[in-house]
Amino acid sequence: GQSLEQPSEVTAVEGAIVQINCTYQTSGFYGLSWYQQHDGGAPTFLSYNALDGLEETGRFSSFLSRSDSYGYLLLQELQMKDSASYFCAVRSPGLMDSNYQLIWGAGTKLIIKP
Amino acid sequence: NAGVTQTPKFQVLKTGQSMTLQCAQDMNHEYMSWYRQDPGMGLRLIHYSVGAGITDQGEVPNGYNVSRSTTEDFPLRLLSAAPSQTSVYFCASSYKQGYGYTFGSGTRLTVV
Repeated sequence: GQSLEQPSEVTAVEGAIVQINCTYQTSGFYGLSWYQQHDGGAPTFLSYNALDGLEETGRFSSFLSRSDSYGYLLLQELQMKDSASYFCAVRSPGLMDSNYQLIWGAGTKLIIKP
Repeated sequence: NAGVTQTPKFQVLKTGQSMTLQCAQDMNHEYMSWYRQDPGMGLRLIHYSVGAGITDQGEVPNGYNVSRSTTEDFPLRLLSAAPSQTSVYFCASSYKQGYGYTFGSGTRLTVV
């Protein structure tokens, strides 16, 4: 089957750096996405990695290693507003040749302490 | 620019009732989809559409119908509500399937 594994919960201190890992096992791979969801809110798109390496967007960075089927989201200079759930998702071939599908992880709840 | 608009935000239904959740986007996205999210869980795909007139089933389609008569609108119909359909429903759209989804604010549905 196809699956994504990410920790259910991560705790960090305000101002620190935290890394949220995601390992995947899918039949085909086009890219890895990260989404943020605050309690009671909707998911918002953070990043997409199709190639190996690190992509930086402000305080957030996302890394991909296709050979290891692994990626991570790195959050720097943590702020209390970063307390949220973070989901990884893999874009992979769909059931039909012309389609794609997005396979979601179960999410990581990031708890930030003052 | 409104993005993805979902209505209603909250709804309480009695078992057996039917209703339609509305979703509209103004970004000219070809791809639209419906997800449900249960407490402490990830997103499960109900139905999706790759363009007007084209729809297909996702992971958990039973009890739901969709149609896509225009690029902008993608309503989700609950045929006969059951308590198991109590959930938060999100509509999402993107210009490319599987990439960079924009989500609506969600509909919190309770079936009693």
